[in-house]
Amino acid sequence: QKEVEQDPGPLSVPEGAIVSLNCTYSNSAFQYFMWYRQYSRKGPELLMYTYSSGNKEDGRFTAQVDKSSKYISLFIRDSQPSDSATYLCAMKAYNQGGKLIFGQGTELSVKP
Amino acid sequence: EAQVTQNPRYLITVTGKKLTVTCSQNMNHEYMSWYRQDPGLGLRQIYYSMNVEVTDKGDVPEGYKVSRKEKRNFPLILESPSPNQTSLYFCASSLNSGGTYNEQFFGPGTRLTVL
Repeated sequence: QKEVEQDPGPLSVPEGAIVSLNCTYSNSAFQYFMWYRQYSRKGPELLMYTYSSGNKEDGRFTAQVDKSSKYISLFIRDSQPSDSATYLCAMKAYNQGGKLIFGQGTELSVKP
Repeated sequence: EAQVTQNPRYLITVTGKKLTVTCSQNMNHEYMSWYRQDPGLGLRQIYYSMNVEVTDKGDVPEGYKVSRKEKRNFPLILESPSPNQTSLYFCASSLNSGGTYNEQFFGPGTRLTVL
């Protein structure tokens, strides 16, 4: 079983839709939770970062962490064609230095 | 501009021909790492370095070597490439590898094909 599981999609939605992306994990030591966005032929870029449980909002993006369920989510409101990309969840434990564990990535396409 | 650069961006080679992929960062970061990205498997760490002359294996180190002689550079060496090393490779760096999270900045990627 992978430490981090993410539905690879692909996911296709119409412009303006609310998008929900999710990851589950098995390692209870994870404390830092990230969402990276990766455009085609580019490297991943940090989109959202959350420490421990709770919600974090940044514009149209909301990240949620539920440590009791070992489940994290990224919501995109009013999705735009420019949101079309692969979204990767990543996690880190306090005692693992700089090591990030990534999900498989979800490919999202937002149609005009 | 703060960035991580990789070269080459694309490489096609043959089995057994040694190659080096270079990685350089201009942010004075202590921590650097190499990942490979394969469909359905996400990003997997190959090797990492916490500082100059300090390197260690990640999750998939077989067939790879690294060195860290200068803080800014972290080359990835494939001494005898094989077809199963065909992949998309990313170099990343962060300020340090301390207990809390430090954002990792990724390079643009190197697409390697081994025939």
